[in-house]
Amino acid sequence: DGGITQSPKYLFRKEGQNVTLSCEQNLNHDAMYWYRQDPGQGLRLIYYSQIVNDFQKGDIAEGYSVSREKKESFPLTVTSAQKNPTAFYLCATRWGGASPELFFGEGSRLTVL
Amino acid sequence: KNEVEQSPQNLTAQEGEFITINCSYSVGISALHWLQQHPGGGIVSLFMLSSGKKKHGRLIATINIQEKHSSLHITASHPRDSAVYICAVRGGNKLVFGAGTILRVKS
Repeated sequence: DGGITQSPKYLFRKEGQNVTLSCEQNLNHDAMYWYRQDPGQGLRLIYYSQIVNDFQKGDIAEGYSVSREKKESFPLTVTSAQKNPTAFYLCATRWGGASPELFFGEGSRLTVL
Repeated sequence: KNEVEQSPQNLTAQEGEFITINCSYSVGISALHWLQQHPGGGIVSLFMLSSGKKKHGRLIATINIQEKHSSLHITASHPRDSAVYICAVRGGNKLVFGAGTILRVKS
C-alpha cells in the first residue's frame, strides 16, 4: 500500500543528545515537509524539500537539520541546539505541480528527559 | 492575533447532534483545508476548497471568501467522529494551520 511511514512512533532521549526521526514515502511525491505540533498551537513548518538534494528552512528551523538524498526519504535530526525539543513531529508529502493536497504520516512523539 | 482562528477550541456533543466548527482567517488565500487528526496522531485531509461548499458523507464544508470564514459541519454525529479538526489556509506557497478544535462525541 502507498503511504508515509514515520519511525519511531515514540522516542525518549536525554538532554544534549541528537535524535533522528525517519520519514519514508512510497507515494512518489516530490515534496516532503516536517512539521512540529505543540499543545494548543497550529502545526509549524520546520523544513521542506521540493526535490532531491534540495531543502529549505521553514518557520522554526533553528536546532534542526534534514537531508534529502533520496526521493523516498526525508529524515529530520533534532540537535542538542534545539532548546525545547519535546513535541509531536509530523512528516507530510505533496505530489507537486499544482496539486496542493498534503498527505501526512502518523507522527513521532519525542520526549526529552 | 493568529492568522487562523478556530472556534470552539473544545466541543462535546451527544451522539446524533449537528456539529459546527468555525474557522476565520485574516490573510488572502488560494485554498482552505479541513483536516482530521485522529487520537493516534495521524492526519487525514477531509476537504480542500476555494469557494462554495463541498459535501462528503455526513461532512459538509463551506467557505465565504468575502467574510474570510469557513465552517465544517457534521450531521448525525457519532462517537467515531471524535478527533481534532484542523483548519489550514494556503496563501501562495505557505500553509498556515489553526490550533484545532477538539471534538468529543458521547454515546
